[in-house]
Amino acid sequence: DQQVKQNSPSLSVQEGRISILNCDYTNSMFDYFLWYKKYPAEGPTFLISISSIKDKNEDGRFTVFLNKSAKHLSLHIVPSQPGDSAVYFCAARPFTSQFYFGTGTSLTVIP
Amino acid sequence: DAGVTQSPTHLIKTRGQQVTLRCSPISGHKSVSWYQQVLGQGPQFIFQYYEKEERGRGNFPDRFSARQFPNYSSELNVNALLLGDSALYLCASSSLGTANEKLFFGSGTQLSVL
Repeated sequence: DQQVKQNSPSLSVQEGRISILNCDYTNSMFDYFLWYKKYPAEGPTFLISISSIKDKNEDGRFTVFLNKSAKHLSLHIVPSQPGDSAVYFCAARPFTSQFYFGTGTSLTVIP
Repeated sequence: DAGVTQSPTHLIKTRGQQVTLRCSPISGHKSVSWYQQVLGQGPQFIFQYYEKEERGRGNFPDRFSARQFPNYSSELNVNALLLGDSALYLCASSSLGTANEKLFFGSGTQLSVL
């Protein structure tokens, strides 16, 4: 039972444009959400988080949006850079419980 | 400060064997979690340990076990290996108990079962 879903396995974007990665979840008890980036042969690296009391969080080029009624979150990367090419995972959890990860979206930024 | 370190980086075993994977958390972190990542999937939760106590267990068979030591390092053991256990095993450390807890991952151990 996949409680966190990333329905786009891959995404290609031109350098300088916006990348939008999407994530849907089914458990209404999830109250904390994170995005991770993963390069080959490395572990996932934390990017940005958001709690359910907010609907937006920004950190430099990265912005996460949360729509609780739709059980949907998205990660915006503006402007996209070739170094952003990686697999992106969203993760979610109920309060202090285990994290559930999506299946990942492979982002390719074309120079 | 060193990040999360895992050993070994790669491992090849045959069916029925046993394997032990090791993890050292970031200094000051008291919680260690283990995840299994099969190719094409996201990380799946196996165990979480805090202060040497098991805090959570995912949907994995009893062949999987773990422990945490007084220095907060951890071992994951898998007995009677199956082909399906081939995966990247990730260890993550965190400061458990904070509302905005973040997991910091090691580079993983790539296990191949032949």
